[in-house]
Amino acid sequence: DIQMTQSPSTLSASVQDRVTITCRASQDIQDWLAWYQQKPGKAPKVLIYKASSLESGVPSRFSGSGSGTDFTLTISSLQPDDFATYYCQQYNNYPFTFGQGTKLELK
Amino acid sequence: QVQLVESGGGVVQPGESLRLSCAGAGFTFQRHIIHWVRQAPGKGLEWVAVISHDSRNHFYADSVKGRLTVSRDNSKNTVSLQMSWLRPEDTAVYYCARGPITWGTGYMDVWGKGTPVIVSS
Repeated sequence: DIQMTQSPSTLSASVQDRVTITCRASQDIQDWLAWYQQKPGKAPKVLIYKASSLESGVPSRFSGSGSGTDFTLTISSLQPDDFATYYCQQYNNYPFTFGQGTKLELK
Repeated sequence: QVQLVESGGGVVQPGESLRLSCAGAGFTFQRHIIHWVRQAPGKGLEWVAVISHDSRNHFYADSVKGRLTVSRDNSKNTVSLQMSWLRPEDTAVYYCARGPITWGTGYMDVWGKGTPVIVSS
């Protein structure tokens, strides 16, 4: 199985900060990577697919990059609504696997 | 609108069975792959199972293989997850999520709100 490792596990930041979350795959997954946002008690919501493609309706302050084994999610200017937990997920092959999550907290 | 709605969760004892359902609406349900993903209390997301649009293909996580079975009835726009020999570590919120129309892989673009399963004596 492909292991997905996110860092950091927790990130403290302020509104309007630029933040970056990283995700590393244990083997080459090309660009078959998605990023999800989850708020407490809610279902995950996809932000980015195919490593860098923005899902329809997602604000342009979210961006993704990377290929192979190393990926990043960047939020260019944090908004109050962005404080949540973020997960990366590979869909290169089954079983799909998620990173352990990054909790973005208000500093 | 496009939506998935899970049902069937509840409290069961270890070793018992439970059947979850996922109903789709607002899209051509029978064309899409459907996944199940779970989240234990306070933990991260764990992919559980997938079924192709025509039921010909399915995969399971090793942690549930042999105990969980996914099936679908496209005439009713539903996917079911039959859970047997449940263990306390199966306690989680279970989400169904939509995949693409092409078998292979693809990300999950629509999610239900989830249904909770508690396995406890």
